[in-house]
Amino acid sequence: GDSVTQTEGPVTLSEGTSLTVNCSYETKQYPTLFWYVQYPGEGPQLLFKVPKANEKGSSRGFEATYNKEATSFHLQKASVQESDSAVYYCALSRPSGTGSNRLTFGKGTKFSLIP
Amino acid sequence: VTLLEQNPRWRLVPRGQAVNLRCILKNSQYPWMSWYQQDLQKQLQWLFTLRSPGDKEVKSLPGADYLATRVTDTELRLQVANMSQGRTLYCTCSAPTGGVQDTQYFGPGTRLLVL
Repeated sequence: GDSVTQTEGPVTLSEGTSLTVNCSYETKQYPTLFWYVQYPGEGPQLLFKVPKANEKGSSRGFEATYNKEATSFHLQKASVQESDSAVYYCALSRPSGTGSNRLTFGKGTKFSLIP
Repeated sequence: VTLLEQNPRWRLVPRGQAVNLRCILKNSQYPWMSWYQQDLQKQLQWLFTLRSPGDKEVKSLPGADYLATRVTDTELRLQVANMSQGRTLYCTCSAPTGGVQDTQYFGPGTRLLVL
């Protein structure tokens, strides 16, 4: 079956430093890749998605490149700030035949700034 | 924007008692609604996708039994039963923002703590 593996958290960094959350995936089909972010008390919300290999997605200073050869989709941000503190989920979807795609998530990586 | 409301937002569940969760779809042109669940420290996992009023599905996983019902075009329910004592469970519903392979929008979720 499909699987997604990402950096095990928690990750704590100083403000202004760079963040990388690794994500690798396994699937037999050609997936769309997603990064979701979840803040306390809220549901996961889309950060961005990339449907095609070798393309990059970005939002709010975060970016990730769909690397089909390495089956990776690592999330990066050059300079983190307090508002970035959240749980980040890497996910994939592929056609399910039901008319609505089904997401396979990683375990999530909790990020916060060093106080 | 696809909007989803869920209630309750959290619940303490006496051991052996079932709990009923509701998800209300406020705005979407697409019929599918889904449930996902998450154990503490584990990944968000797809449970069901139901399309039409009257659709029902059941599933048993380690630690809980689930019954999903599509009540109306805008209401999806989940009954969670036989939860393991001491378990913390998060359940959230989702609906697509677009067609097949498009983004899933998630509700705020319900947290269950089994006493």
